[in-house]
Amino acid sequence: EVRLVDSGGLVVQPGGSLRLSCAASGFTFDDFTMHWVRQAPGKGLEWVCLISLDGDTTYCADSVEGRFTISRDNSKNYLYLQMDSLKTEDTALYYCVKGGDGHAFDIWGQGTMVIVSS
Amino acid sequence: DIQMTQSPSSLSASVGDRVTITCQASEDIRKYLSWYQQKPGKSPKLLIYDATTLETGVPSRFSGSGSGTDFTLTISSLQPEDFATYYCQQFHRLYTFGQGTKLDMK
Repeated sequence: EVRLVDSGGLVVQPGGSLRLSCAASGFTFDDFTMHWVRQAPGKGLEWVCLISLDGDTTYCADSVEGRFTISRDNSKNYLYLQMDSLKTEDTALYYCVKGGDGHAFDIWGQGTMVIVSS
Repeated sequence: DIQMTQSPSSLSASVGDRVTITCQASEDIRKYLSWYQQKPGKSPKLLIYDATTLETGVPSRFSGSGSGTDFTLTISSLQPEDFATYYCQQFHRLYTFGQGTKLDMK
């Protein structure tokens, strides 16, 4: 079974840091681009970052550029999101997402909640 | 950035109805559009990609059409399990989601 399990979400103060993790199983991890997508409470979906198959290429949305870093460990089948200088507007449910054979997002984790609050 | 505008933002319908949701891109995205379904408390689920291709396992009552800037998701005969929020997404240049269309029971 193809599966993504997100973890690491916490309550953190503004300006703080957090690292999210995603454990992948059931597919050849290093054959696919991976993403993080977030959803603020009661709001829509926002793409956050992507990382290429080998980890050499990353892109992030302007809203997190310079503060968030996506990475992967293909030997362990793990995806990460390092979140620094957190702001209250980063409060959201963060999903680990697998890129499909095209560019659609075909498998989603269950999400991990990040709350940025003093 | 490419903006995606969905309409309507909400929609009430009955079981058996034919439902259409539209999505407009701020520039030509060719066929690079996906549709997702999200139920309360659940992760989104891919329904359609490349504007018209049905994801494996998705019922054939779902269909997508369009190219360029104007796209449509159609549910031919609404079933009880279809009440959910639907999002379009472009992947022509990075990724942008529409604001969502909440489909509820009339």
